[in-house]
Amino acid sequence: AQKVTQAQTEISVVEKEDVTLDCVYETRDTTYYLFWYKQPPSGELVFLIRRNSFDEQNEISGRYSWNFQKSTSSFNFTITASQVVDSAVYFCALSEWNQFYFGTGTSLTVIP
Amino acid sequence: DTEVTQTPKHLVMGMTNKKSLKCEQHMGHRAMYWYKQKAKKPPELMFVYSYEKLSINESVPSRFSPECPNSSLLNLHLHALQPEDSALYLCASSQIQGAAYEQYFGPGTRLTVT
Repeated sequence: AQKVTQAQTEISVVEKEDVTLDCVYETRDTTYYLFWYKQPPSGELVFLIRRNSFDEQNEISGRYSWNFQKSTSSFNFTITASQVVDSAVYFCALSEWNQFYFGTGTSLTVIP
Repeated sequence: DTEVTQTPKHLVMGMTNKKSLKCEQHMGHRAMYWYKQKAKKPPELMFVYSYEKLSINESVPSRFSPECPNSSLLNLHLHALQPEDSALYLCASSQIQGAAYEQYFGPGTRLTVT
């Protein structure tokens, strides 16, 4: 079974639109960590955020915000006022014990 | 400084060649990782080193041979590769190995096996 599901394979938005990337995870552990990474065309994965299972507080960092809901096992990522530089593949990931699971990624294209 | 460096950026090798990929970090991290990533797929874990000892080997073929000479360096020795081994090879490091620690990735080496 897929531990991390990113149902949106590809998304296209016009610049300045808001966009939400969905992430649903599956775990039986009570202690786990969730991450988002950005992979631009250059290839390097860039760490964006880590959230532990005991902290459901939403987080905002500039144009980025994350919504963590344990009740629905979701950790969604919203980009406000998207820009062309946001075009990338975004991976959600789950870490439990010593195992790290990537989702399949969502390819975001921001059209100028 | 959250930088992981990898060399070379690109590598083309024949199936009979021997080559090595190099990775370096100066963040004082004690866990280092090798991943393989095919196009339009997420990274797949190959090896994990924790305190310079091989901690995880995800049943990777023996034509891939990792080496961790010290806490800052990680190598991946390649020998007798197959065309299907062509991929982006990513190195990463984290403070220590464990669920709570984010991994920092290098830019990767794009490997083509001819």
